[in-house]
Amino acid sequence: NAGVTQTPKFQVLKTGQSMTLQCAQDMNHNSMYWYRQDPGMGLRLIYYSASEGTTDKGEVPNGYNVSRLNKREFSLRLESAAPSQTSVYFCASRVGGSNYGYTFGSGTRLTVV
Amino acid sequence: KNEVEQSPQNLTAQEGEFITINCSYSVGISALHWLQQHPGGGIVSLFMLSSGKKKHGRLIATINIQEKHSSLHITASHPRDSAVYICAASFPSGAGSYQLTFGKGTKLSVIP
Repeated sequence: NAGVTQTPKFQVLKTGQSMTLQCAQDMNHNSMYWYRQDPGMGLRLIYYSASEGTTDKGEVPNGYNVSRLNKREFSLRLESAAPSQTSVYFCASRVGGSNYGYTFGSGTRLTVV
Repeated sequence: KNEVEQSPQNLTAQEGEFITINCSYSVGISALHWLQQHPGGGIVSLFMLSSGKKKHGRLIATINIQEKHSSLHITASHPRDSAVYICAASFPSGAGSYQLTFGKGTKLSVIP
């Protein structure tokens, strides 16, 4: 029972470099989410996908793009990394609808220098 | 704007103490979530509730819809309960989807 798998766990980028954070879930969940967590702040939603084939912006989408490749996979891309994107990134999924809980990945700690 | 406030920010308790963490939210929600984040960083969902009370082992979560307030209680606290506890409110975001607004978390340290 893998749940939500995120890769990589750690990454250091130079300013201007690009990278893709991968997320996959094996629970047949409809909805998937990308959050960032910064010190002293609550988790903030970057992008989400309510169902396969749809994506929508969250609270802090600038500088990011996403792809819902299929029902299992939801990737987050940084096209030109900036120091302000240094953060811990979490992917999460849920069945959908209001009466179901979330399952979180283990997080990716990204540092942009 | 959807807002979620947690208190206290930090909490230190002696092993065995009864612990309460509070959460208030600003507008109507569809559900309230309590999450646990251990020092290693992973986030685990503890409870999701829209009314009343839920219990799992030594953890109890309650919600008062009228007062827009939820509490997480830990009975007979243990050092392994040391973690950050996060409250998150689920709000409808249109087209049948929902989004979470998170509190900033309560860092709990239980001392032997």
